[in-house]
Amino acid sequence: GNSVTQMEGPVTLSEEAFLTINCTYTATGYPSLFWYVQYPGEGLQLLLKATKADDKGSNKGFEATYRKETTSFHLEKGSVQVSDSAVYFCALTQGGAQKLVFGQGTRLTINP
Amino acid sequence: EAGVAQSPRYKIIEKRQSVAFWCNPISGHATLYWYQQILGQGPKLLIQFQNNGVVDDSQLPKDRFSAERLKGVDSTLKIQPAKLEDSAVYLCASSVPPGSLAKNIQYFGAGTRLSVL
Repeated sequence: GNSVTQMEGPVTLSEEAFLTINCTYTATGYPSLFWYVQYPGEGLQLLLKATKADDKGSNKGFEATYRKETTSFHLEKGSVQVSDSAVYFCALTQGGAQKLVFGQGTRLTINP
Repeated sequence: EAGVAQSPRYKIIEKRQSVAFWCNPISGHATLYWYQQILGQGPKLLIQFQNNGVVDDSQLPKDRFSAERLKGVDSTLKIQPAKLEDSAVYLCASSVPPGSLAKNIQYFGAGTRLSVL
């Protein structure tokens, strides 16, 4: 079945550092790929998405590129802020089904 | 635009007791989902409704979990009887129908944190 594997956390960085959170997936065909973010005490929010190979999703300074050859969708940000501290989830949907299949999440803490 | 509303935010019960969670999706969203998020894991779909019909309940433990979406709007998820391993955050999400350009974007509520003692 479909699955998503994320980089093990937690990840702790200093403000203005470069961020990469790795995500790889297993799926047949061409899934849509997502990054969701969960801030403390809040629900999951869509951060960005990509629906086909080589698409780049971007939002709030975060980027991720859909790489079919490596089945990856790594999340990057050039300069993180304390407000980026949250749990980040990589996810996919496949075909006509809308259900999201999530990775285990990566907790990110940014220190000032 | 109001978001997905869930209640209660927190619930503590003893094992073998019953519990119910309520969700009110975003107005006009035909598709509603219930996910279970165990601590340290990603959310896992329990059940998906399209209007008031069930689309996918393959991972719902039907011996103890039930869900309904009367009139295609609000939904209730029930656990009876609860087990220790049901301790988790229960998330409700909604989305527009598959034919829409905004399909596949799910909007989540803040969740209900259940502790079973």
